[in-house]
Amino acid sequence: QLQLQESGPGLVKTSETLSLTCSVSGGSISSTYHYWGWIRQPPGRGLEWIGNINYSGNTYYNPSLKSRVKILADMSKNHFSLTMTSLTAADTAVYYCARFGRCSEGSCYTTKGWFDPWGQGTLVTVSS
Amino acid sequence: SYELTQPPSVSVSPGQTASITCSGDELGSKFICWYQQRPGLSPMLVIYQDNKRPSGISERFSGSNSGNTATLTISGTQAMDEADYYCQAWDWNTAVFGGGTKLTVL
Repeated sequence: QLQLQESGPGLVKTSETLSLTCSVSGGSISSTYHYWGWIRQPPGRGLEWIGNINYSGNTYYNPSLKSRVKILADMSKNHFSLTMTSLTAADTAVYYCARFGRCSEGSCYTTKGWFDPWGQGTLVTVSS
Repeated sequence: SYELTQPPSVSVSPGQTASITCSGDELGSKFICWYQQRPGLSPMLVIYQDNKRPSGISERFSGSNSGNTATLTISGTQAMDEADYYCQAWDWNTAVFGGGTKLTVL
């Protein structure tokens, strides 16, 4: 059974850089059938997609966050990471990692896919 | 930027059918997904590619997508279905989520 686990600091200072890691077990992040993604949810609010990475290291980012975000994958450790710079209080959120499903009934898509399963999430608070 | 609009809340009586809508420009031309998020838990996929159910998801969950509106239908609603539901689609290379609908089972 595939499981994802986020890890990282719970508290980050304003203007600093956030680094999170998503460790994957029960499956390989080098699979060509899946990509891997980060999504966040501010307290009491909705979901916001941050970005995806695929087995070749190609990345896809939310345009609203692209200038501050970088996603990398480490195939040897079977984990992928998120780095976000220039943090403000607006970046306070629960950060989730998830597997991105993209193949169904013989067709595979770069986008048009779905996130399943999700990690348990990690709360990141940005404060001065 | 592309937007998906959901009603903030929907109420349903136990055993009845709940319908949650998601609206967006030419949404029917895109694949829609639906996620359930129970309080304090991570989101869980309940519908993908408009109307497909992942393994383990009850047959009570179904989906449709046409024109500018997608609908998640929950038949025989149970107390355990009380949760927030989010729709999601792709606009070019950007994943977009709806604002979420709180389903209350009265």
